[in-house]
Amino acid sequence: DTGVSQNPRHKITKRGQNVTFRCDPISEHNRLYWYRQTLGQGPEFLTYFQNEAQLEKSRLLSDRFSAERPKGSFSTLEIQRTEQGDSAMYLCASSFGQGALRPQHFGDGTRLSIL
Amino acid sequence: AQKITQTQPGMFVQEKEAVTLDCTYDTSDPSYGLFWYKQPSSGEMIFLIYQGSYDQQNATEGRYSLNFQKARKSANLVISASQLGDSAMYFCAMSGMDSSYKLIFGSGTRLLVRP
Repeated sequence: DTGVSQNPRHKITKRGQNVTFRCDPISEHNRLYWYRQTLGQGPEFLTYFQNEAQLEKSRLLSDRFSAERPKGSFSTLEIQRTEQGDSAMYLCASSFGQGALRPQHFGDGTRLSIL
Repeated sequence: AQKITQTQPGMFVQEKEAVTLDCTYDTSDPSYGLFWYKQPSSGEMIFLIYQGSYDQQNATEGRYSLNFQKARKSANLVISASQLGDSAMYFCAMSGMDSSYKLIFGSGTRLLVRP
């Protein structure tokens, strides 16, 4: 059983460019989460999907951010017109079922650097 | 609102000794989960252990145990027989009754194991 996979591991881009990250969850995990982690802080929730439905978005997710999970499998997170403040680690996690006691399993993250 | 507090920015421990990482939480939910994750310098978030709010016994997982004191709202992680590979950031997190079951993280504790 493979873990959560994220691509790319690192992304360096110029301010104003668009970037897209991909997350492949553990197979059969119906829930998929995106978090953002800045230096020296814990991860912060961005959004989550149950199957293909995006059910909640954080106020951190400005209108420049969009996430999709077509067919309830992999997910993409796109950032349009990147800004310096978008520099962070973007983490994807998945879990199975419902309940507060379902551990989320994380990928290795995508580290975004805006020049 | 839920909140996780980790008051130890950094800790040292001698190899083979035990160490306790502190975590206090605040929530009004009657049912919640508490989790600990390890984040090495490479960036991936590794799930270690979890505790349910209704669990009577403290959770254990190999060298990891969770010292759960519900009345004090604390969920400290105890690592026994520290190894050099335990050097990493450790995050305490919780999820609650919110249907997203998103994780709220603390700011983390950096643990350094001395040989």
